[in-house]
Amino acid sequence: GNSVTQMEGPVTLSEEAFLTINCTYTATGYPSLFWYVQYPGEGLQLLLKATKADDKGSNKGFEATYRKETTSFHLEKGSVQVSDSAVYFCALSGLPSNTGKLIFGQGTTLQVKP
Amino acid sequence: DAGVTQSPTHLIKTRGQQVTLRCSPKSGHDTVSWYQQALGQGPQFIFQYYEEEERQRGNFPDRFSGHQFPNYSSELNVNALLLGDSALYLCASSRDRANTGELFFGEGSRLTVL
Repeated sequence: GNSVTQMEGPVTLSEEAFLTINCTYTATGYPSLFWYVQYPGEGLQLLLKATKADDKGSNKGFEATYRKETTSFHLEKGSVQVSDSAVYFCALSGLPSNTGKLIFGQGTTLQVKP
Repeated sequence: DAGVTQSPTHLIKTRGQQVTLRCSPKSGHDTVSWYQQALGQGPQFIFQYYEEEERQRGNFPDRFSGHQFPNYSSELNVNALLLGDSALYLCASSRDRANTGELFFGEGSRLTVL
């Protein structure tokens, strides 16, 4: 069945460091891919998304490219800030349509130190 | 504009009891999905409601049931609680016709079963 695998955390970085959080997926067909973020004490919120192969999603300095050949959707940011400390979830849409059923990875905790 | 609101925020129950969790979707949204998030894990899809009917269901037993009201708000009911039902229950809303796969999440109801 469809599944998402994320790199295990926690990931601890110094401010202004480069961030990569790996995400790979298994799916039949062509799902949409998402990164959601959960800040402390808040609900999950969409960070970025990509709906087809080679699409790049971007928001708040974060980027991820939909790579069909490697079934990956790695999250990157060139220079992290303390305020980026949160739990990041990679997800794919349940097929056959984007009707709100998402399959999430287990989450990766990012801690950024000043 | 209020986002997704859930109640209660925290509750404690004992094994065998029943619980009802409530959700009001974001204004303009007509579809409500429920997710269970165990500690340290990603959210898992329970079911989705649209037009007051269950449209999709994840791999959860019949002890988990729900309802959607004409104003689009929703309830999640869990009967015969087990210790393993302890988790954060997330409600997410979306606008069905948008078909983007983007969900708006509430902050969740944290259920502890003793």
